[in-house]
Parts: sequence; structure tokens; C-alpha cells
Amino acid sequence: QVQLVQSGAEVKKPGASVKVSCKASGYTFTTYDIYWVRQATGQGLEWMGWMNPNSGDTRHAQKFQGRLTMARNTSISTAYMEMTSLRSEDTATFYCARARPGAAAGRFGLDVWGQGTTVLVSS
Amino acid sequence: SYELTQPPSVSVSPGQTASIPCSGDKLGDKFACWYQQKPGQSPLLVIYQDNTRPSGIPERFSGSNSGNTATLTISGTQALDEADYYCQAWDSSTGGVVFGGGTKLTVL
Repeated sequence: QVQLVQSGAEVKKPGASVKVSCKASGYTFTTYDIYWVRQATGQGLEWMGWMNPNSGDTRHAQKFQGRLTMARNTSISTAYMEMTSLRSEDTATFYCARARPGAAAGRFGLDVWGQGTTVLVSS
Repeated sequence: SYELTQPPSVSVSPGQTASIPCSGDKLGDKFACWYQQKPGQSPLLVIYQDNTRPSGIPERFSGSNSGNTATLTISGTQALDEADYYCQAWDSSTGGVVFGGGTKLTVL
């Protein structure tokens, strides 16, 4: 079946970086964009960015510009999200999700989600 | 950037109809999607393209979108429908998606 499996929970100190992986299976990895969504504890969903695994093109939400890097390894159908200069406010669960490329994501939504990766930023 | 606004909470009695609104400037000119999220779980797409249910989503879930408001309607609400619900649309100014703040649906 179609699924996205994310890497495990992380604990990081302020100022450190975290890299989360998202392995896709059950579909052709390069035919859907991979989205990254952040959810702080008890808070709502926040779009961070997306990456097209076929072209490598990316788009970031303005607030994450400069701190967020998205990459992929098509040979193992895995997407990566790296966030740098972590601060306590970044403590959250990070989700990857797949969506049809481009503006079609607005029409068809994010139809498959990973299980989430919790990142705790604490000194 | 584009903004979507949802009420923080909605309450409904079992068996009744729940309506969750999502407002945004000329939202009816865009497509709206809806997600259900239960505690400790990942979001689940329940409506896309304003009013289309993905495979496996019960028929009691429906959607509409007109003017400045999209609405998720749950008919014959059940206790298991208690969850947070988020609307989502495309934000052409950012080239990404935008989520509403979420609505906690309480079935009591």
C-alpha cells in the first residue's frame, strides 16, 4: 500500500540542526511532490515547504527561508528535511505528505501522510 | 499571504449535523480541502476539490465552497468523529498551501 515512513524522534540542543527522512513506498516516488508540515504541541498545521522529487525544485514558506533544506534520493525513494539553528520554539512534530505537483495540491490535497517525527529542542 | 479562518470549536449532539466553516477572501474561487486529525494521529484527508470524498471516507462527510466560505458538513455525527478539523487551500502568493487554524469538534 502507499505509505510514507519517517525517521524516529530526535532531541536537539538549541543552535543544532536536525534532519528528518521520509521514505515512500507503494507508488512512483517522482510523480508526487513531498510536503513538509510542522505542528507544535497543541497547535495547528503549518506548511513549511515542498519539493518535487523529479526535478529537485523546492519552495519554502517565507518564515523558514534560510533555515530549511529539502532534498531527496530517488534511488531509495526517500525525501529529507533539514532544519538548522534550532530554537525551543521549533519543538514540534514534523510531517511529510505527498501531493500532486504544483497548484494541483490545492485541489487534490495532501492525500498520504507520514506518521510524524517529534523533535524536542531543549538545553 | 493568504489566510484561512476557522472557529476554534464546534459542538454537536450525536446523530445531529455538524457544520464547520472556513473563511478566506474569495475562497470560493479556489478549491478547498479538509483534514481530520485525532489525538496522536497524522492528519487524514476527508474532502478534496471542495466536495469530493477520498476512498474510504464515510458518506456522512460532505463539503461545499462558495463566496468567502467553505463548509465541512458531517451528517449523523458519531462519537468517533470527535477530532480536530483543518481546511486547506492553495496560496498562489507563496506557491504553497495554507491551512486554517483548526476547529475542535466535540460530540456531546
